[in-house]
This record gives sequence, structure tokens and C-alpha cells, in this order.
Amino acid sequence: NAGVTQTPKFQVLKTGQSMTLQCAQDMNHNSMYWYRQDPGMGLRLIYYSASEGTTDKGEVPNGYNVSRLNKREFSLRLESAAPSQTSVYFCASSERGSPYTEAFFGQGTRLTVV
Amino acid sequence: ILNVEQSPQSLHVQEGDSTNFTCSFPSSNFYALHWYRWETAKSPEALFVMTLNGDEKKKGRISATLNTKEGYSYLYIKGSQPEDSATYLCAFHSGTYKYIFGTGTRLKVLA
Repeated sequence: NAGVTQTPKFQVLKTGQSMTLQCAQDMNHNSMYWYRQDPGMGLRLIYYSASEGTTDKGEVPNGYNVSRLNKREFSLRLESAAPSQTSVYFCASSERGSPYTEAFFGQGTRLTVV
Repeated sequence: ILNVEQSPQSLHVQEGDSTNFTCSFPSSNFYALHWYRWETAKSPEALFVMTLNGDEKKKGRISATLNTKEGYSYLYIKGSQPEDSATYLCAFHSGTYKYIFGTGTRLKVLA
């Protein structure tokens, strides 16, 4: 029972490099989310996808793009990494995006940009 | 931007002590308030989903109350144990497909 799977778990990038964080869920959830977690800041929403085929900006979308590839997969792309994007990234999913259903989280990706 | 605040930011308690912490959220456009437990090096896991004013939820030694009119929720832990050490997050949901998280309360229970 995998739940939400993120890859990679750790990554070091040089400034200006690009990379894609992958996320897949096997719970048949409609809604998926990308958050970043920084010390003292809590979880901040980068992008979300209410359902397959739709994506919307969250609180801190600058420097990121997303793709909802299908119902299972939601990727986050950094086109030109910057040190300010050093963070821990969490993917999450929920059933239908309903307020009454909990979000399920992946294990996180720790990204360092040097 | 909706603001969700949690206090205290961190606390240390002795094993066996009871403790509580607060989540403050906007009192308008309220749909649900979620509590999550987040252990170090793991991912957050849901504790409670609270939807009605006056709601009380309980799971073992952990319970939560909700006041939507004044915009706060309390999480209580009775007889804290070292395994309760974690960060406790609350998340406000205003019905727009997204959860707004607080910064968390980091609890350390000393044996």
C-alpha cells in the first residue's frame, strides 16, 4: 500500500540547473498538491491540481511549473534552480479536494541548491 | 492570503504531563479544520478533521475542540509520552480546494 510516492528523496543542484520532482498516488484521488517546507514557515502551497487536467497557483508559485500527467501523477519542475529554492518539498493528495477529507503526504524531497 | 497561526511554536513537557496548544484561523468562510501529526523524517499524518462549531474529537490520549465563531481550535494531550514528540500542524480549509497550514507546534516530551 504505497499511498503517495515522491522521487527523488534527496537532490543537490547547482544554480541554474533544472530538475523535475515526481509524485504519484495510488489512492485514486482527484486532487494533488505540492508544498514546500522551510524552517519557521510551515507548509506553503506551491501549486495544486483540483482534478486531472487542471492546475492552479498556490501561495508561492514563482520559479516552478507543474504538470498533471494523469490522475495518478503530478510533477513539479524547477526550470532554473536558485538557492532560495533550497527546501523540503512535499507532494500530497486528497479525495475530490473536499474540505472534509484529509490530505495524504509523500515522504518529502530534500533539495539543496548550491 | 489567509493566515493560520499556531502557538506556542515549541514546548517541552515532562513525561506524564498534560499539555495543550492552539490553532487560530479566519472565522469567515470556514469549512473544516484539520490536525496533523508530523514526526521527524516522516510525512504528516492526519489526526482529526473538524467541521462543526463545538466539535470535539478524541483519539486515545489526544483530543481537540473547535470554536468556529471565534476562530480557534485546541489540541490536548493527556499524560504525554515520549512517543508523542512530534510537530502538530493544523490546516484550515475554506472550500477552495486547498489547505492552509499553520507553522506547527513542536512538542518534545522528556522521559
